[in-house]
Amino acid sequence: AQSVTQLDSQVPVFEEAPVELRCNYSSSVSVYLFWYVQYPNQGLQLLLKYLSGSTLVKSINGFEAEFNKSQTSFHLRKPSVHISDTAEYFCAVSDNTGGFKTIFGAGTRLFVKA
Amino acid sequence: SQTIHQWPATLVQPVGSPLSLECTVEGTSNPNLYWYRQAAGRGLQLLFYSIGIDQISSEVPQNLSASRPQDRQFILSSKKLLLSDSGFYLCAWRRRGLGYEQYFGPGTRLTVT
Repeated sequence: AQSVTQLDSQVPVFEEAPVELRCNYSSSVSVYLFWYVQYPNQGLQLLLKYLSGSTLVKSINGFEAEFNKSQTSFHLRKPSVHISDTAEYFCAVSDNTGGFKTIFGAGTRLFVKA
Repeated sequence: SQTIHQWPATLVQPVGSPLSLECTVEGTSNPNLYWYRQAAGRGLQLLFYSIGIDQISSEVPQNLSASRPQDRQFILSSKKLLLSDSGFYLCAWRRRGLGYEQYFGPGTRLTVT
């Protein structure tokens, strides 16, 4: 069975500082990996995804994540955060067995302080 | 382009009352559909998913039920609400096939009093 662990429930950081949100997964088969962002009282939005190919994937707003198969990790990073990045971030995994479900982590609340 | 709608946006219901939340998707056909619940400060709990009309799987035992009367319509119901049913309910859809992401609706905030 698949599982996703987000190692930090909350990450406070000052504006313009770098940030890393950690995500580890477990699966016995090949996986597809996702990061979603949720702003207060809204649904989740896809931030970026890894399907295959280059292990480093980037979003349009400066986030990036690197797939590390040996460490079964998919950590999310941003070199300089903005106040507007304050949100909840979810790591998620689905597999290549034709399953219909996506497994979500518990979420990490990123709080950017001025 | 595809859009997903949920209503109502906010709902306050007394314990023991019925519930009906609706979700519709536009601009796609044969989507996989999902209902999630998000309790305050917690992650997503998958409640139901559907791969086709009248094909619905339940993930957790509870007093909720789901129906899919049309290809792009997904309804979450309860005959008698419990206090523990309070939360933020999210509907999502996904294209059939491997590796596709889910697209989420704006959510319904349910408070059971």
